[in-house]
Amino acid sequence: QQPVQSPQAVILREGEDAVINCSSSKALYSVHWYRQKHGEAPVFLMILLKGGEQKGHDKISASFNEKKQQSSLYLTASQLSYSGTYFCGTGTNDYKLSFGAGTTVTVRA
Amino acid sequence: DAGVIQSPRHEVTEMGQEVTLRCKPISGHDYLFWYRQTMMRGLELLIYFNNNVPIDDSGMPEDRFSAKMPNASFSTLKIQPSEPRDSAVYFCASSAGFPSYNEQFFGPGTRLTVL
Repeated sequence: QQPVQSPQAVILREGEDAVINCSSSKALYSVHWYRQKHGEAPVFLMILLKGGEQKGHDKISASFNEKKQQSSLYLTASQLSYSGTYFCGTGTNDYKLSFGAGTTVTVRA
Repeated sequence: DAGVIQSPRHEVTEMGQEVTLRCKPISGHDYLFWYRQTMMRGLELLIYFNNNVPIDDSGMPEDRFSAKMPNASFSTLKIQPSEPRDSAVYFCASSAGFPSYNEQFFGPGTRLTVL
């Protein structure tokens, strides 16, 4: 089942912060975050694993609440390069990822 | 490494024609995924392979779609016959290790238009 992302879209000024949320109705083993720029492929940002391990970019931060099956991605001091669509992908006991509908982030100068 | 390679990058075809999309995963990766992305349905997993063996094809929309992985460095996704509703961007991705626990590397995608 597809995870639910919120908000659908956000507009920021450079330097502002934003939070993107991802929630699932299923027990999660992991949450992945990817960013996709228009006309390009999704690019990996980070993975949060059950048990607390994280793998990914040093400049991106995120949290994973295993009990609530929720994750949040934190965009801090946003830059123009942060613009794109952010997808969360949730990993469950069938090992494959289900992706959310995406959150479009626009950062303006 | 060159990353995941897909061909063609763009394909325009007429309804009823056969379409074959190709993918070369990153060397050493043991998982390969085929995704379809549309505005309406988002990013959908169609099928994935582990060590060249199809593991889960529950996302393949219907019998018109088939996928093969004859060896570790090549996979194809075939649509026969194609229909306008198959128009989408098709991504191939690969990973090393369990999909839930490891990064997936996406290819540049094939933009398919069926007229």
